Amino acid sequence: EPEVTQTPSHQVTQMGQEVILRCVPISNHLYFYWYRQILGQKVEFLVSFYNNEISEKSEIFDDQFSVERPDGSNFTLKIRSTKLEDSAMYFCASNDREGSQPQHFGDGTRLSIL
Amino acid sequence: GQNIDQPTEMTATEGAIVQINCTYQTSGFNGLFWYQQHAGEAPTFLSYNVLDGLEEKGRFSSFLSRSKGYSYLLLKELQMKDSASYLCAVKDSNYQLIWGAGTKLIIKP
Repeated sequence: EPEVTQTPSHQVTQMGQEVILRCVPISNHLYFYWYRQILGQKVEFLVSFYNNEISEKSEIFDDQFSVERPDGSNFTLKIRSTKLEDSAMYFCASNDREGSQPQHFGDGTRLSIL
Repeated sequence: GQNIDQPTEMTATEGAIVQINCTYQTSGFNGLFWYQQHAGEAPTFLSYNVLDGLEEKGRFSSFLSRSKGYSYLLLKELQMKDSASYLCAVKDSNYQLIWGAGTKLIIKP
């Protein structure tokens, strides 16, 4: 069964540094998402992406965050100047359409900011 | 604001049945999802409800009442591997998934 893949599985970065988290969604999917989950807390929506542009974003997704689909397969989340509170699991998900279909999640990237 | 409430933790015995409740208040409704999440892993899809009633899928069933803003996930014949967090999530009018904090289910032998 096709999977969403995320790299790296764990990223350790100094505060203030830029970080790029990478995702390869399922190949025929058109809708892409980023979520984060701070340890012990609930999953939080960050951003959705469709047709090469952001379709929705949450209050968390401020100017420090950006997303890009640089080619036909990758979907990236960039954090420009990381803060300690950015430490979390970041999950990428994809879907072939909106509505009833469940979103397929990658295994996540654990981001640790020192 | 948007809100999804679930119990924080529940304990059940192997072989038994457990019901995990979820209530929601969201801006619009485009379906309710239940996901399972083992510690340190990604959520995995369990069930979806958009119309009132019960959806059955093997040992797992999910119920929805839109008028009450209420759903439950029913797990039968519990196995030790069912120990996990169970996340209730609602798609709002913008098709954003709004997540509950999850219910940690502990299965005892």
